[in-house]
Amino acid sequence: KAGVTQTPRYLIKTRGQQVTLSCSPISGHRSVSWYQQTPGQGLQFLFEYFSETQRNKGNFPGRFSGRQFSNSRSEMNVSTLELGDSALYLCASSLPNRDTGELFFGEGSRLTVL
Amino acid sequence: GNSVTQMEGPVTLSEEAFLTINCTYTATGYPSLFWYVQYPGEGLQLLLKATKADDKGSNKGFEATYRKETTSFHLEKGSVQVSDSAVYFCALKETSGSRLTFGEGTQLTVNP
Repeated sequence: KAGVTQTPRYLIKTRGQQVTLSCSPISGHRSVSWYQQTPGQGLQFLFEYFSETQRNKGNFPGRFSGRQFSNSRSEMNVSTLELGDSALYLCASSLPNRDTGELFFGEGSRLTVL
Repeated sequence: GNSVTQMEGPVTLSEEAFLTINCTYTATGYPSLFWYVQYPGEGLQLLLKATKADDKGSNKGFEATYRKETTSFHLEKGSVQVSDSAVYFCALKETSGSRLTFGEGTQLTVNP
């Protein structure tokens, strides 16, 4: 069974640009969450999608957005990039019974903003 | 709001040493508690979990007990191996939703 797949794995952007990251969850998983990981702030929750609906959002500015498609694949977008957006962005999927609490993480997309 | 506090790292041990990584939490209600591990260059993997007070989670020789009276979920292993070198994250999940709140992470290095 394939794991969570994130693309691209690495990317470099400059300030002011925008970026789109993609996440394909494990087959059968309908919930997708995104986290930002930085050395200073650790792992911070961005948002969660279930059946194409955002059902939870973290404390990030509106420049950070996401969506989920009917096949459960998800994308997140960051507009007007800032240096502080440099981070590892992790996607995680979970089983339909979301109360198990177990998240399955991808390897992440490492974004560098110059 | 919810929060998780882990002992500061990094932690460096010799092979076969005893490991403890402290984790305490603040939460409303009755959260579930988790330890995740991140090996170099990889995403996070669930190591163990406990869903109610006094539950003990265990996996790969690691153990942690959900202590509601001390709001703690300390990770222990009796004899660490070089392959245990990784970053360990304590996390909690509220009773509703899938959102996890993570601690800062503790870097563990085990030397042969």
